[in-house]
This record gives sequence, C-alpha cells and structure tokens, in this order.
Amino acid sequence: DSGVTQTPKHLITATGQRVTLRCSPRSGDLSVYWYQQSLDQGLQFLIQYYNGEERAKGNILERFSAQQFPDLHSELNLSSLELGDSALYFCASSLTNRGTEAFFGQGTRLTVV
Amino acid sequence: QQPVQSPQAVILREGEDAVINCSSSKALYSVHWYRQKHGEAPVFLMILLKGGEQKGHDKISASFNEKKQQSSLYLTASQLSYSGTYFCGTETRDRYQLIWGAGTKLIIKP
Repeated sequence: DSGVTQTPKHLITATGQRVTLRCSPRSGDLSVYWYQQSLDQGLQFLIQYYNGEERAKGNILERFSAQQFPDLHSELNLSSLELGDSALYFCASSLTNRGTEAFFGQGTRLTVV
Repeated sequence: QQPVQSPQAVILREGEDAVINCSSSKALYSVHWYRQKHGEAPVFLMILLKGGEQKGHDKISASFNEKKQQSSLYLTASQLSYSGTYFCGTETRDRYQLIWGAGTKLIIKP
C-alpha cells in the first residue's frame, strides 16, 4: 500500500459525460501528479500541483482540468468524454516538487462507452 | 522531452542479466526507475540525483551518467518476479515535470 488513495477504482460512463477523479496523497506529501495510461502504453504526464498551486502542465486536453485543495487532495475533471479517453488514470504524490520518490495510487480505470 | 528507453522489450531466461537504458536530450536533474506489473500501479525502484551516482538493492542496480544524460538499469541473475514493464522517469534542470519513457517490457522465462 503506497498510501495514495484514488477513487473510484472503476468508472464506466457514456460519451459526452463529465466525471471527477479523486486523489488523496500520502500523508505529508505536497506534490500531486496526474498521469494517463492508455492500454499497454506509457505514462502520459497531465499535470502537477505543489502545495495547492499548479506547477507544471503536460499534454492535458482543454476538456480536462484539475485542482489541488487546501487539504492537499486533488481532483481531475474530465468533460465531454470521448471513446479515446478510456484509460487508466494514475495519481502520484511526492514530498517535494522534484527529486523525491513518487508514490502511485492504484489508479482509476475509466471506460467511456 | 520524453526520455528514450531501449530496448523496447527483452526476453530472458531465469538467471540471465539485462540492461535497460534511458537517455535524454536535456540536462537531467534526476532519474527515477519504476517497475509496473500489468494492470497495477508503478512501483518505485530507485532514484538517482547526482552524476556518477550508482545505487542498488538485491540484484537490481542503476547508474547515472550526467555528462551523457543517460542512466542504465542493471538486472543480474534475473528472477521470475522481475517480469514487468520498466519505466525511467526524468526531471530536467529547467522544468518541474516528471516525464516518463515509453517503457521496456521484460519477460522472464523459467
């Protein structure tokens, strides 16, 4: 158990819908990262927050948004969902904003039908 | 920006050795190595922060050549449990992003 909690574990939704994925980082970690992993593909960096502020942005679609709250949990919002958004979404947390081990949650498997 | 990993896949017999390479076109701040089993979360192996640094535990070790912006992961006397996809993640000196290579799939046969 990495200490990072992601909910829900599985999500099935229809095209055009909006969903919210939630991540609770490990106690004491200030950084949260979001990654998308399509079937048998690598980890695509979406966005990073550090202590409530956006720190870095990757190839995140405009239909996607995220935020980190004062209690450091984070949410990833996906809207106008398309079939191609089906993937495993991982959240990871680390103590600082760079140079420290990232702990991964178990992921949320999103299926868009 | 994405680090380049090689090879893409390796098939070994139990007890054989493997080397996985990771290279970047940018000056690196750190290199992270993780292993992911199918359908599971990536699991941390080690992080290298200094050029010339070498780390290891059990029969898995890694090195970081800062001048060449490269890192290598060494798996010796491989065990069945080493099977999975190995990812290197890099942080460059100019950006706060942990970016991952495409992964190296390692298959260990008995």
